[in-house]
Amino acid sequence: AQTVTQSQPEMSVQEAETVTLSCTYDTSESDYYLFWYKQPPSRQMILVIRQEAYKQQNATENRFSVNFQKAAKSFSLKISDSQLGDAAMYFCAAHLLQGAQKLVFGQGTRLTINP
Amino acid sequence: EAGVTQFPSHSVIEKGQTVTLRCDPISGHDNLYWYRRVMGKEIKFLLHFVKESKQDESGMPNNRFLAERTGGTYSTLKVQPAELEDSGVYFCASSQDQGPFYNEQFFGPGTRLTVL
Repeated sequence: AQTVTQSQPEMSVQEAETVTLSCTYDTSESDYYLFWYKQPPSRQMILVIRQEAYKQQNATENRFSVNFQKAAKSFSLKISDSQLGDAAMYFCAAHLLQGAQKLVFGQGTRLTINP
Repeated sequence: EAGVTQFPSHSVIEKGQTVTLRCDPISGHDNLYWYRRVMGKEIKFLLHFVKESKQDESGMPNNRFLAERTGGTYSTLKVQPAELEDSGVYFCASSQDQGPFYNEQFFGPGTRLTVL
């Protein structure tokens, strides 16, 4: 079965500090895409960062970076210099089946930023 | 450029009634997806349209759910008759088939459905 697991229902971090959100997945495919989506309170879900499985280099978008460990099937998100606007629900998601475009989501992690 | 829009934002209905949710994708996006998040659980895929054709409807829970995308533009998702377990947030997303944002799904704000 193709699954995505986020084991941290809630996380909190002090403003300006660094936080890492965990995500693991299960697939028998060798090529797939991984994503982190962010849903601020009462707002639309937006893409934060994406990683293609065949690329060994970890993706980075400004203060957001991933630690992609393909052998371990792990895809964690690191947020550096946390800001109040980073407070949101974060979803890890993946295209796990070759050719399929549906996203398989984790349960989500609610991130709180403490001022 | 307008994003994905969904209507209504909230809907409260009684068990046994019918509800129709609408999604307008980003203009030019051939791919349209429906997902839902039941309270406290993960977001789950319902189905995927490519233009007006159903590409994948493996996530549709049962035949009380009917999705259409006539003309390949907006889509509707009808629940008839609604049951208590249908309560949740229904998300729509769209994506391009090519270009720099290929494979990125853009999400709408969701429709929160409450069945009493």
